[in-house]
Amino acid sequence: GAGVSQSPSNKVTEKGKDVELRCDPISGHTALYWYRQSLGQGLEFLIYFQGNSAPDKSGLPSDRFSAERTGGSVSTLTIQRTQQEDSAVYLCASSLYGQGDYEQYFGPGTRLTVT
Amino acid sequence: SQKIEQNSEALNIQEGKTATLTCNYTNYSPAYLQWYRQDPGRGPVFLLLIRENEKEKRKERLKVTFDTTLKQSLFHITASQPADSATYLCALGRKGYSTLTFGKGTMLLVSP
Repeated sequence: GAGVSQSPSNKVTEKGKDVELRCDPISGHTALYWYRQSLGQGLEFLIYFQGNSAPDKSGLPSDRFSAERTGGSVSTLTIQRTQQEDSAVYLCASSLYGQGDYEQYFGPGTRLTVT
Repeated sequence: SQKIEQNSEALNIQEGKTATLTCNYTNYSPAYLQWYRQDPGRGPVFLLLIRENEKEKRKERLKVTFDTTLKQSLFHITASQPADSATYLCALGRKGYSTLTFGKGTMLLVSP
């Protein structure tokens, strides 16, 4: 079956512009996660969605970052007024349920470069 | 603060040998520990999960141990192959929490 897909695969933007990153999770997965991975760094948790519950936004680094998940499926991560330090690979993952003992399925990521 | 440590230096081994990767943690009481493989330019792929009440888990050539006293997990690949070359990430989860905390990963290089 189809895995997690993300678009675009690469995005180059100018400092100060807004960007939207999209994630299509595996059908039927109730949990969706966004992570950020910078060069030489581990996966940094950003935000977590579980069903229709309020998202866990505890990992968002600033109020320039926001995300939504429509209809319990597709999710969009928006970064406003991008800064150079936002350059990273943004990864989306989904899992059947949002518990630590369920494996996460990752998308290929979106490489964001802010010039 | 919570800390997860994986060897930042790449592990170089010869084909056929056993690779052993380490994941240490402090100020953390994980109920679950997961291992993922990440190839360049790709997202991580799940390999194994081990629970706090399990000492060891195996899957084909892979073996994971979990020592909550030492606060350490060891990840073994037996009869390693060049195709096993990748970065391996450990991730910890706590009971009642939905998120995982990932280590920075260790790169494994298996030479023919």
